[in-house]
Amino acid sequence: EVQLVESGGGLVQPGGSLRLSCAASGFTFSIYAMSWVRQAPGKGLEWVSGFSGSGSGGSTYYADSVKGRFTISRDDSKNTLYLQLNSLRAEDTALYYCAKDLGSSWPVYYFDYWGQGTLVTVSS
Amino acid sequence: QSALTQPASVSGSPGQSITISCTGTSSDVGGYNYVSWYQQHPGKAPKFIIYDVTNRPSGVSNRFSGSKSGNTASLTISGLQAEDEADYYCSSYTGSSSYVVFGGGTKLTVL
Repeated sequence: EVQLVESGGGLVQPGGSLRLSCAASGFTFSIYAMSWVRQAPGKGLEWVSGFSGSGSGGSTYYADSVKGRFTISRDDSKNTLYLQLNSLRAEDTALYYCAKDLGSSWPVYYFDYWGQGTLVTVSS
Repeated sequence: QSALTQPASVSGSPGQSITISCTGTSSDVGGYNYVSWYQQHPGKAPKFIIYDVTNRPSGVSNRFSGSKSGNTASLTISGLQAEDEADYYCSSYTGSSSYVVFGGGTKLTVL
């Protein structure tokens, strides 16, 4: 059974930093592209960032809204995906989901499994 | 404002069929057959229900179907059931630096 478990969310002041983690199990983590998708309270879904699977050179992808502030990474030996959030703003407040991509290696941006999310609140 | 436009709400009675539209541009929905749909129940993570415009992942009911015409994609749910009451989101690959965009979501109410 595929499982994705996010952690690391919390309350942080504007300008602060946070590191999210996503522990994966139930599939061969290394070969699949992975993404972070967020959902602001009461709002819709927004893709944030993606990381290609093995065999594709470790390519990373970012939404324009987070480019230069967020950094995605993965540790295939630990089956874990990360998202480093820096220079946080109030508009970054959201539930952050980790999502497995349907495609291996290169992302196809179809998310067939999702975690339950970790809440990031940016407020003073 | 979301990149893809969906109606805020739709409703239908049990057994009926409903269709949810998802309108984009030639840079996303109209330019690629890479449209997907997700179902999200309150307090739950989204569930993947349609990809490549018309394909259903294994285990998804055949009551769910997708289509596309020009810049507008559609999700049709036939034989409505109470458990279908949820929010539905469309998504499309985009050739821009945003890579993938979502619609604003549609709340389906089963009367």
